Amino acid sequence: QVQLVESGGGVVQPGGSLRLSCAASGFTFSSYAMHWVRQAPGKGLEWVAFIRYDGNNKYYADSVRGRFTISRDNSKNTLYLQMNSLRAEDTAVYYCAKDLSSTWYEGSDYWGQGTLVTVSS
Amino acid sequence: QSVLTQPPSVSAAPGQKVTISCSGSSSNIGNNHVSWYQQLPGTAPKLLIYDNHNRPSGIPDRFSGSKSGTSATLGITGLQTGDEADYYCGTWDSSLSAGVFGGGTKLTVL
Repeated sequence: QVQLVESGGGVVQPGGSLRLSCAASGFTFSSYAMHWVRQAPGKGLEWVAFIRYDGNNKYYADSVRGRFTISRDNSKNTLYLQMNSLRAEDTAVYYCAKDLSSTWYEGSDYWGQGTLVTVSS
Repeated sequence: QSVLTQPPSVSAAPGQKVTISCSGSSSNIGNNHVSWYQQLPGTAPKLLIYDNHNRPSGIPDRFSGSKSGTSATLGITGLQTGDEADYYCGTWDSSLSAGVFGGGTKLTVL
């Protein structure tokens, strides 16, 4: 069965960095686009970033562009989110999600359980 | 302020039908596929509808989706108390080159 397991969350000071990982199994990871989506405490879903199956196309929300970098290692079936210059407003549960498509946004059919990132001094 | 607009809450009695609207523009809903998600308290979102109206395997036909112009609608019939959750619409915005979600709608089954 499809599994997405996020890790790497924790408490970090403003201005700090974290790298999130998402280990994928149960499907051909290298054939599907992937997303990061976050949810601040008590708030709605916010799309963060998208990466095509081969890593060649990446897109970001305005709120994170220039600070966050999405990447993938298809040999390790792992998705990453490098987060730099973190701000208090980045505090959220971060979900990785598999897209139905390999190259475009068609909807996310599988989601991880999420990892909490708290930015606080 | 979300790019896609949903009502904050809807409610209906068990067994009844409810619809949740999602309003956007030509750069998002008007020219891209819409998906719908259910998020039960304390859990990750779950895909209910993709490509505007298709259901993944395992999703009962009580859930339906439709799109017209720059708006989409999720319908739920035969409401059950287990349907109480937050519901989100999502799509791609071609002008922003970004994914977008609605603000979410809390469904209460009275």
